[in-house]
Amino acid sequence: SQELEQSPQSLIVQEGKNLTINCTSSKTLYGLYWYKQKYGEGLIFLMMLQKGGEEKSHEKITAKLDEKKQQSSLHITASQPSHAGIYLCGAVHSTSYGKLTFGQGTILTVHP
Amino acid sequence: NAGVTQTPKFRILKIGQSMTLQCTQDMNHNYMYWYRQDPGMGLKLIYYSVGAGITDKGEVPNGYNVSRSTTEDFPLRLELAAPSQTSVYFCASSYGALRANYGYTFGSGTRLTVV
Repeated sequence: SQELEQSPQSLIVQEGKNLTINCTSSKTLYGLYWYKQKYGEGLIFLMMLQKGGEEKSHEKITAKLDEKKQQSSLHITASQPSHAGIYLCGAVHSTSYGKLTFGQGTILTVHP
Repeated sequence: NAGVTQTPKFRILKIGQSMTLQCTQDMNHNYMYWYRQDPGMGLKLIYYSVGAGITDKGEVPNGYNVSRSTTEDFPLRLELAAPSQTSVYFCASSYGALRANYGYTFGSGTRLTVV
């Protein structure tokens, strides 16, 4: 089984709808990164969470890390076609070095 | 402000050929990483380096080799290419464990096809 599970694997929404993507870890998270990827391109950093209960926002995207530091959610409010892409969560499971372990990604499609 | 630069962007290899994927960063990051991304999958770590002269295996190192002679460069070598190595390869760098609040910096990727 994966150390980091993302759900759903794909999501199709109508423009203007809200949506949530979840990322669940089998180990304690020392850091949780959210990235966005457009097809054929590199990864764009969205946010990083470290503390239990932490919440960060950037424009219409909000990410939270739960108190037990084993689950994170990414919430998009009033989705737009520009939000479409692949969302990846990446976890740091150790403080000794910064290897990122990734979830399998969530493909988001936003219909105008 | 180049960040992480990967070359080439695309490459087609025949089975059994070898090649080197180049990765250079200009941010003076100590940590560098090579990942591969297969369709419908997240990124899998191939090799990583915590500084010049130091490298270590990730989850999927078989069929690859790396070297880190300078802080800036972290090339990935494929020996005897196989169809299973068809993938998109990403190089990344960071200051270290959890230091970079703006995240790891990724290159734009190399799309490799082995036929």
